[in-house]
Amino acid sequence: SQKIEQNSEALNIQEGKTATLTCNYTNYSPAYLQWYRQDPGRGPVFLLLIRENEKEKRKERLKVTFDTTLKQSLFHITASQPADSATYLCALGGGDSSYKLIFGSGTRLLVRP
Amino acid sequence: GAVVSQHPSWVICKSGTSVKIECRSLDFQATTMFWYRQFPKQSLMLMATSNEGSKATYEQGVEKDKFLINHASLTLSTLTVTSAHPEDSSFYICSAKRSGTGIEKLFFGSGTQLSVL
Repeated sequence: SQKIEQNSEALNIQEGKTATLTCNYTNYSPAYLQWYRQDPGRGPVFLLLIRENEKEKRKERLKVTFDTTLKQSLFHITASQPADSATYLCALGGGDSSYKLIFGSGTRLLVRP
Repeated sequence: GAVVSQHPSWVICKSGTSVKIECRSLDFQATTMFWYRQFPKQSLMLMATSNEGSKATYEQGVEKDKFLINHASLTLSTLTVTSAHPEDSSFYICSAKRSGTGIEKLFFGSGTQLSVL
C-alpha cells in the first residue's frame, strides 16, 4: 500500500538557520506533491505545489525539491523565524487520476529565538 | 483568497447522540469536498469524497451509515456522525476543491474537535 514517511521527531533549529524537512514515499507515483502548514487545533494551510516534471519550486523563503527517482521531496525554509514553528505536512496526489490527497503524518518544526 | 468555514470548531456530546458538522466554501463554488479525520500526531486520513448532487464516495473501512455526508449545494457539505461513541472522538477536517480547476491545492476548514463522553 501507499506509504508516506516524514520524520516524526521534531526539528529544533536556531532562528536564522535553514530548516530542511524530508518527505519520502513508496508504492505510489504522484502527479504532484504539496506541502502544507498546520498549527495546533487548526486545519492545514497550503504552501507549495510541485508537479512530477518539476525539480524545484520557490516561494519567498520556501523552496521545495521533488526527486521522482528517489521518491523524495525536500522542503526548505531559509532565514527561519519563530513564527515558522508549526507542523509541516507533505501530501501526494494525482497518482490515480483523482483529486484525493494522501498525507504524511507531518514533522514539527521548532524555531528558537 | 478562498475561505472554507467549518462549524462548530469543537463539540462535546454524550455517547449515542448524533453530531452534524458543516463545511462551507464562502467565496467560491466547490463541486468536490473532502472529509478527513486526524488523531493526535497522526496524518489526515481521508474518510470520504463529497460531490455536489450525488452520493459520497467513502474510503475503505469507513462506515457510510455511521458517517452521513450530504453535499446539497455548491457551497455546503455536511458530515453527520450518527450514534457517536467515544472511539469517534477525533479532529474532523473538511477541504474543498474550487470548481473549474484541475489538480490544485485544497482549501481546508479550521477543523472540528469532537469529544464523545
